[in-house]
Amino acid sequence: AQTVTQSQPEMSVQEAETVTLSCTYDTSESNYYLFWYKQPPSRQMILVIRQEAYKQQNATENRFSVNFQKAAKSFSLKISDSQLGDTAMYFCAFISGTASKLTFGTGTRLQVTL
Amino acid sequence: GAVVSQHPSWVICKSGTSVKIECRSLDFQATTMFWYRQFPKQSLMLMATSNEGSKATYEQGVEKDKFLINHASLTLSTLTVTSAHPEDSSFYICSALRDRGAHGYTFGSGTRLTVV
Repeated sequence: AQTVTQSQPEMSVQEAETVTLSCTYDTSESNYYLFWYKQPPSRQMILVIRQEAYKQQNATENRFSVNFQKAAKSFSLKISDSQLGDTAMYFCAFISGTASKLTFGTGTRLQVTL
Repeated sequence: GAVVSQHPSWVICKSGTSVKIECRSLDFQATTMFWYRQFPKQSLMLMATSNEGSKATYEQGVEKDKFLINHASLTLSTLTVTSAHPEDSSFYICSALRDRGAHGYTFGSGTRLTVV
């Protein structure tokens, strides 16, 4: 079974600074996808970024980028130029290529301060 | 973009009654939908996978008779919490799979259920 681990329950960053959220996973699959989801206080789950395991290039979406280390099974999220609106719970998620069920990590609560 | 509408956003019900939560994909067909439960400050826990036209697949430990799932059309899945009790109080979230190849998921906005 796949597992996703987020070792940072809470983090804080000042506005305009950069923060990195950690995620590791365990799988024996070779074809899979990784995601970062954001859940703000509204509780709406929002896709931040996704990464296909077969792609070596790290995914980027504006201020959000990932550091995907396949051999180390690590998938960290970097948020640059943090904004107050980035305050949320961030969940790392995994799915194997043939499955349809997402496996979520325990989440990291990020607080962006002035 | 793909939108999933979930209703109601919150509901309070008396212990022993049943509550139905709807999840609709507004601009795409979803043969597969998922129901999650989320406790405060915790992650999403998958309850069941809902497949259009067939029985739902429940995760281990989830009571099928308490959490009834119906996916009668390509755009609607419902979760009915039967004979609700205070311990069923939680935040329930649905998700629809809109692009199986790309694993594109869209989430509903969630339902806060309080059983008194």
